[in-house]
Amino acid sequence: EIVLTQSPATLSLSPGERATLSCRASQSVSSYLAWYQQKPGQAPRLLIYDASNRATGIPARFSGSGSGTDFTLTISSLEPEDFAVYYCQQRSNWPPAYTFGQGTKLEIK
Amino acid sequence: EVQLLESGGGLVQPGGSLRLSCAASGFTFSSYAMSWVRQAPGKGLEWVSGTSDSGGITLYADSVKGRFTISRDNSKNTLYLQMNSLRAEDTAVYYCAKRGGRSAMHFDYWGQGTLVTVSS
Repeated sequence: EIVLTQSPATLSLSPGERATLSCRASQSVSSYLAWYQQKPGQAPRLLIYDASNRATGIPARFSGSGSGTDFTLTISSLEPEDFAVYYCQQRSNWPPAYTFGQGTKLEIK
Repeated sequence: EVQLLESGGGLVQPGGSLRLSCAASGFTFSSYAMSWVRQAPGKGLEWVSGTSDSGGITLYADSVKGRFTISRDNSKNTLYLQMNSLRAEDTAVYYCAKRGGRSAMHFDYWGQGTLVTVSS
């Protein structure tokens, strides 16, 4: 089973700052990694798929990079609405399953 | 507009059963694999079960294997999750999620979730 480890657990930043979130896989997932944003009381929202592709309607300040085992979600300049919890996710072929990282909480400093 | 609307959650005693439904609209339901993902109170996301576009392939997390059954009715554009032998640790918000495409490894749309509480 592939384990995804996100860091840091909590990131405290101010609006306008740059945010860098990390996701590390226990074994290679090629480029098959996605990022989601979740706000309190809401469902997760897809931000990035296949490591670096922005989903429909996602602002350009969100970008993803990486391949293999190390991935990064970058928010270039934080807006007030970006403070939320972020999860990475992958799908393994064997055993066939989806796994999520434990999440990074991005909070206002 | 893609919409996924879950229903069927509620309070159930340990050992009991519950059936969740997810009504889909705004896309060709029969062309997409679907999954259930849950989130325990204050915790992260956990994939529970998935099914292929036809329903012929079903997958389960080890934590629910043998207790939960996923199914779909493509004529009704509806996804189901039959949950038996429920435990306290099954308490969570259950989301249905649409796979991004035939070869996609991500979920592009999620429902708003339905809360399942297992307690005596």
